[in-house]
Amino acid sequence: DAGVTQSPTHLIKTRGQQVTLRCSPISGHKSVSWYQQVLGQGPQFIFQYYEKEERGRGNFPDRFSARQFPNYSSELNVNALLLGDSALYLCASSLAKWQGNTEAFFGQGTRLTVV
Amino acid sequence: AQSVTQLDSQVPVFEEAPVELRCNYSSSVSVYLFWYVQYPNQGLQLLLKYLSGSTLVESINGFEAEFNKSQTSFHLRKPSVHISDTAEYFCAVSPNQAGTALIFGKGTTLSVSS
Repeated sequence: DAGVTQSPTHLIKTRGQQVTLRCSPISGHKSVSWYQQVLGQGPQFIFQYYEKEERGRGNFPDRFSARQFPNYSSELNVNALLLGDSALYLCASSLAKWQGNTEAFFGQGTRLTVV
Repeated sequence: AQSVTQLDSQVPVFEEAPVELRCNYSSSVSVYLFWYVQYPNQGLQLLLKYLSGSTLVESINGFEAEFNKSQTSFHLRKPSVHISDTAEYFCAVSPNQAGTALIFGKGTTLSVSS
């Protein structure tokens, strides 16, 4: 079985632009979460979706939004990009409704550079 | 609120030496505990987890961690490291609450040299 797949792997955008990142979870996993990992820091939670509904949201501005599709894949959108949005964006999938007591499987991430 | 503190940002060791990566956490509710490893230019891989039961948990590649509730710690240890263990290690907690996710520490870079 394929693991969590993310696309694209790398992306360069200009300040003020909008970006869409995509994630396909492991087959059978209904929960998808997004994390932002700034260089030299641990990942920070952005969103969690389960069965197409938002189940959790981290402390990120409204410029960040996400959605989950009927096939459980997910998109993360970031509007009005700032230099500080440059980071590795990680998607994780899991079986449970929330990631409290189960293993989260991470994709390799999308490296976003804002110039 | 929950937080995770990894006490060492970098740990350099020689091959075959023992190593301990320290992790302390703060939480007002019960938590589950995890260690993840990240190799260069890759995502995170689960190394081991504590959900319940025995406070000592082990991974298949020789790492172990012990949950100490009184000291709110979950230190990672390996008795003899290999060059291939060079990576970034993240300690994470997940509160036992709906709607929450993993909360990570800032990471510890383990550098193993010969």
